[in-house]
Amino acid sequence: QLQLQESGPGLVKPSETLSLTCTVSGGSISSSNYYWGWIRQPPGKGLEWIGSIYYRGSTYYNPSLKSRVTISVNTSKNQFSLKLSSVTAADTAVYYCARHGLFTVAGHFDYWGQGTLVTVSS
Amino acid sequence: SYELTQPPSVSVSPGQTANITCSGDKLGDKYACWYQQKPGQSPVLVIYQDTKRPSGIPERFSGSNSGNTATLTISGTQAMDEADYYCQAWDSSTGVFGGGTKLTVL
Repeated sequence: QLQLQESGPGLVKPSETLSLTCTVSGGSISSSNYYWGWIRQPPGKGLEWIGSIYYRGSTYYNPSLKSRVTISVNTSKNQFSLKLSSVTAADTAVYYCARHGLFTVAGHFDYWGQGTLVTVSS
Repeated sequence: SYELTQPPSVSVSPGQTANITCSGDKLGDKYACWYQQKPGQSPVLVIYQDTKRPSGIPERFSGSNSGNTATLTISGTQAMDEADYYCQAWDSSTGVFGGGTKLTVL
């Protein structure tokens, strides 16, 4: 059974960079036809796609966050990571990592991590 | 940018049918999927590729997608179905979620 687990600091100061890692177990991050994404959910609000990465390194970002987001992959550790720079209180959210297939054909997120709350505050 | 619009809330009596809509420009030309999220839990996929149910999802969950609207239908709604529901699609390589619908089972 595939499992995803987010890890990283739960508190980040304004203007600093949020960094999270997603560790994949029970399967290989290098599987063909699967992409690995980050989604966030501010408290009491809806889901927002942040971006996705393919194991070979191709990245796809939400245009509204693109200038501040970097997603990378480490196939040797079966992990992928998120960096979000210049954070503000508006970036406070539960951050999820998840797997999906080819965008317009099989782009549903079928496996999700449990989510991790990141609070931006001084 | 592409947008998906859902009603903020839908109410249904136990045993009745609940319909939750998701609207977007030419959404019927894309694949839509649906997630169920209960408080404090991660979203769970309940419908993918417009009409397909993942293993373990009850048959009372079904989906359709045509024109500008995708619909999640829950037949014989049970109290355990009370949750937030989100539609999702891809606009090329950009992921888009609807704003979510809170389903209340009265």
